[in-house]
Amino acid sequence: DVKVTQSSRYLVKRTGEKVFLECVQDMDHENMFWYRQDPGLGLRLIYFSYDVKMKEKGDIPEGYSVSREKKERFSLILESASTNQTSMYLCASSPRQSGRFEQYFGPGTRLTVT
Amino acid sequence: AQSVTQLGSHVSVSEGALVLLRCNYSSSVPPYLFWYVQYPNQGLQLLLKYTTGATLVKGINGFEAEFKKSETSFHLTKPSAHMSDAAEYFCAVIGGFKTIFGAGTRLFVKA
Repeated sequence: DVKVTQSSRYLVKRTGEKVFLECVQDMDHENMFWYRQDPGLGLRLIYFSYDVKMKEKGDIPEGYSVSREKKERFSLILESASTNQTSMYLCASSPRQSGRFEQYFGPGTRLTVT
Repeated sequence: AQSVTQLGSHVSVSEGALVLLRCNYSSSVPPYLFWYVQYPNQGLQLLLKYTTGATLVKGINGFEAEFKKSETSFHLTKPSAHMSDAAEYFCAVIGGFKTIFGAGTRLFVKA
């Protein structure tokens, strides 16, 4: 079974802090994704990566950056946390094989910025 | 551009009743379509997917969905709801490298 793990389930940070969210997958997937989930808005893509050291902006990249130094690990960084970044953050991975677009999700990190 | 619309942010059914969650999509190419489920305090889990071939797709936990090109729909059904089906359900379509998710439908199951 594919396993995607996220470093924290719950996180509370102060405004202005630098925040790191870590995601690790164990199935050798090429593609990795970071989403934020807010009520009524579904999932919105922040960044994705289709290879080590590669990254692409999603729909809402402002205020975020990412790092992918190893294939299995994809980190989301909030350079200076703000209250409007309070949200549920979901990491996902998927294989690159043709026709296999399904994504495998981690349990999520609920981040509160005060 | 690809998009997904889920009709109804909340659906309530009685235990044993039919579950019907509606999804309409927009796609300029033959779509790849998905339904995911999210149980409380968990990530999303794939229920079923349509890529090519048979238009009636069976998934886990007794759910199925039918791809109807003429109606641009991919509605999710289950003949008999169970209390354990209470969750949020997301319809999704592939758009290039990305997966486009609907806003979600929360399913409530009454005893």
